[in-house]
Amino acid sequence: EEQLVESGGGLVQPGGSLRLTCVASGLSFSRYAVSWVRQAPGKGLEWVAVISDSGTYTDYADSVKGRFTITRDKAKNTVYLQVGSLRAEDTATYYCAKHGLPVTTDTVWLDTWGQGAQVTVSS
Amino acid sequence: QSVLTQPPSASGTPGQQVTMSCSGSNSNIRNNYVYWYQQFPGTAPKLLIYKNNQRPSGVPDRFSGSKSDTSASLAISGLRSEDEADYYCATWDDSLRGPVFGGGTKLTVL
Repeated sequence: EEQLVESGGGLVQPGGSLRLTCVASGLSFSRYAVSWVRQAPGKGLEWVAVISDSGTYTDYADSVKGRFTITRDKAKNTVYLQVGSLRAEDTATYYCAKHGLPVTTDTVWLDTWGQGAQVTVSS
Repeated sequence: QSVLTQPPSASGTPGQQVTMSCSGSNSNIRNNYVYWYQQFPGTAPKLLIYKNNQRPSGVPDRFSGSKSDTSASLAISGLRSEDEADYYCATWDDSLRGPVFGGGTKLTVL
């Protein structure tokens, strides 16, 4: 079964940081870009970041630019999201999602999603 | 405030057809594909429609998508109780140079 599994979420104080991990199993996403999408409690979906298949291209939502960093380790079939300088408004469930087309980054075609990692920012 | 506008709620009775709208602009829906996601409470979103009107394998043909100008629609025919979920539209925005989502429509099956 193809699946993505996130981990690394938790409770963190404002200004703190976490590293979220997204591991692929049953599929290789080495040829695919991966995005992170978050959902605040009771709210809609918000795209956060994308990394290309090669890992050489990344982009971020303005709301997280300069505070979050997306990277990937192709050998480990893993994508990371380092979240830092956290604010209360970053409290959300963070989903990683595989893009539906090889190589393509400029798409919202997200065909496989993880179960989500909960990040709570509170003192 | 989402870039794409969806009605917050929709409802229907079993067997009916329900249509949900997604309104955008020239910088997003007009020149880009629209995608639809279904989300049940406490679970991850699931791709329902891609490239405006294509269904991934396993999605029933009761679900259909369409696009015209700067708007898109998701129709569900033969409504079932298990269709009760949140539905999100999404597309690329050329001005923002990134993906954008609608605020979601909560579907209730009466």
